[in-house]
Amino acid sequence: GEDVEQSLFLSVREGDSSVINCTYTDSSSTYLYWYKQEPGAGLQLLTYIFSNMDMKQDQRLTVLLNKKDKHLSLRIADTQTGDSAIYFCAESSGGSNYKLTFGKGTLLTVNP
Amino acid sequence: KAGVTQTPRYLIKTRGQQVTLSCSPISGHRSVSWYQQTPGQGLQFLFEYFSETQRNKGNFPGRFSGRQFSNSRSEMNVSTLELGDSALYLCASNGGSGETQYFGPGTRLLVL
Repeated sequence: GEDVEQSLFLSVREGDSSVINCTYTDSSSTYLYWYKQEPGAGLQLLTYIFSNMDMKQDQRLTVLLNKKDKHLSLRIADTQTGDSAIYFCAESSGGSNYKLTFGKGTLLTVNP
Repeated sequence: KAGVTQTPRYLIKTRGQQVTLSCSPISGHRSVSWYQQTPGQGLQFLFEYFSETQRNKGNFPGRFSGRQFSNSRSEMNVSTLELGDSALYLCASNGGSGETQYFGPGTRLLVL
């Protein structure tokens, strides 16, 4: 079945880059997503990448996809204290079925 | 454009009761997905509705049900509540490029 794995914790200093990693097992994954969740809030879509792409950049965010190894990463440049949150990786097998499989989330702590 | 609305935001129920949660998607979106988030199991897919039809269902007991109205608003119902149903219930409004899902703020349900 589908499975998405993430490391649980990451701690960085303000101004450094953060890299959050994710692996997935479903080879039919069509889209891969990164969501951010702040305490007491819902999920905020940060970015997504289509499975035939290697990289996508959006301002401070860079997504890298290694389809062969089924490895996805999210790099946040110049990390700020406001970036402290839980980051979820999710995959969709496409076909407009709108069913996401999520990782457990990575808690990013940014220290001043 | 208004975002995804979920009501109520907080609920306290006792075991054995039933509960109905409501979700209004982004205007123009015809698909709505529901997810349960708990500390132990993480984010799990419940079901997805498109044009009043359930297209996809997750691995939850029959106590969990939903429906969608002609205006795309959706409700989910949980009957015979159990302590383990305490969770954050998230609704996603589906549409746009990348088969993206936009989440509401969630309804936090506490079962005593």
